[in-house]
Amino acid sequence: GAVVSQHPSRVICKSGTSVKIECRSLDFQATTMFWYRQFPKQSLMLMATSNEGSKATYEQGVEKDKFLINHASLTLSTLTVTSAHPEDSSFYICSARDQVAGETYEQYFGPGTRLTVT
Amino acid sequence: GEDVEQSLFLSVREGDSSVINCTYTDSSSTYLYWYKQEPGAGLQLLTYIFSNMDMKQDQRLTVLLNKKDKHLSLRIADTQTGDSAIYFCAESITGGFKTIFGAGTRLFVKA
Repeated sequence: GAVVSQHPSRVICKSGTSVKIECRSLDFQATTMFWYRQFPKQSLMLMATSNEGSKATYEQGVEKDKFLINHASLTLSTLTVTSAHPEDSSFYICSARDQVAGETYEQYFGPGTRLTVT
Repeated sequence: GEDVEQSLFLSVREGDSSVINCTYTDSSSTYLYWYKQEPGAGLQLLTYIFSNMDMKQDQRLTVLLNKKDKHLSLRIADTQTGDSAIYFCAESITGGFKTIFGAGTRLFVKA
């Protein structure tokens, strides 16, 4: 099946610094990628929808200036957490939709990135 | 609004069947999904069902959909310890573009 990778898998950063997380679709083209945040023992919260070549669409309550999303190519989307604070510590998961896969609207998920802000 | 609800915890003995239930609110859902998440990992799609279907079987997995009651269930036959994980129910809305997830059911399988 389709594979989505994320890098890094774990990152620890100091408060006030910025962190970039990459999401790649390895064997398919993803015109749409999604970024989720997951708190411990909770469900996934959709943060934003990223479309290749256009601005991301952010969900209500998600600060677009804090969580910068760039989807510069059909296989890569990046999430940058700017001026990170301890409350930004979380598990960030991306997913990609393979538009050519047919009509299942299946999303393929990356393995996640655990961000810890100290 | 859009909402997906599921029980938070289920414990079964190895070899028994597990049934995880889910309810959703959006009647325009096109696809309904079951995902599995193991500790520290992303989500793995287990199975999905189109909204005009009642049942789908895939090896040990059986999905039942009651569209009238907006109720979805996942049955795992002959549950194994390797099935211990969190199972997320999800619905696809707005023409299949947006996916809403439930809070996840933590399945614990006792040997």
